[in-house]
Amino acid sequence: DTGVSQDPRHKITKRGQNVTFRCDPISEHNRLYWYRQTLGQGPEFLTYFQNEAQLEKSRLLSDRFSAERPKGSFSTLEIQRTEQGDSAMYLCASSGLAGETQYFGPGTRLLVL
Amino acid sequence: QQQVKQSPQSLIVQKGGISIINCAYENTAFDYFPWYQQFPGKGPALLIAIRPDVSEKKEGRFTISFNKSAKQFSLHIMDSQPGDSATYFCAVLNTNAGKSTFGDGTTLTVKP
Repeated sequence: DTGVSQDPRHKITKRGQNVTFRCDPISEHNRLYWYRQTLGQGPEFLTYFQNEAQLEKSRLLSDRFSAERPKGSFSTLEIQRTEQGDSAMYLCASSGLAGETQYFGPGTRLLVL
Repeated sequence: QQQVKQSPQSLIVQKGGISIINCAYENTAFDYFPWYQQFPGKGPALLIAIRPDVSEKKEGRFTISFNKSAKQFSLHIMDSQPGDSATYFCAVLNTNAGKSTFGDGTTLTVKP
């Protein structure tokens, strides 16, 4: 039984470029979450899916951010026109329908130059 | 508004000692209160969690104490070990709403 996986683990990009991250949740999990974590802070909620439906988006998620989970399995998070302030660790988590225990992936560390 | 306040920001404990980390929250709609452990370069991992109908939960060396009326809960690590050195986050969750709100973390160092 594999855990949550994320790809890539590290991404360096130039300001203004678009980036896309992928998350593969634990296979039987219905819920999938995206969080952002900056140094010295706890993870901040961005959005979550129940199956393929995106049920909640944080006000932190500007129009440059979009997430999809087209078949209710893996998910992608895209950031358009990246800014230096987007530099952070992007964490994905998944859980069953009860939504209690969220299992986190290793994260994708983004650096925008 | 910061919905979860965690303290202390950092903690140094001798091996074998007790580590205590505290969290206070504001919204009574939360129904699940987990603690996560995070090592550098890794995602957070669930350590122990409690529901508000219980005042205390113990799993091995880890105990959560929960005070519903004060809207506070704490993590106690008994017999702290150097391997416990990590960053600990409390979180609050409304399981219907889905999202977790995390504290800012406590960096624990256990000295041998």
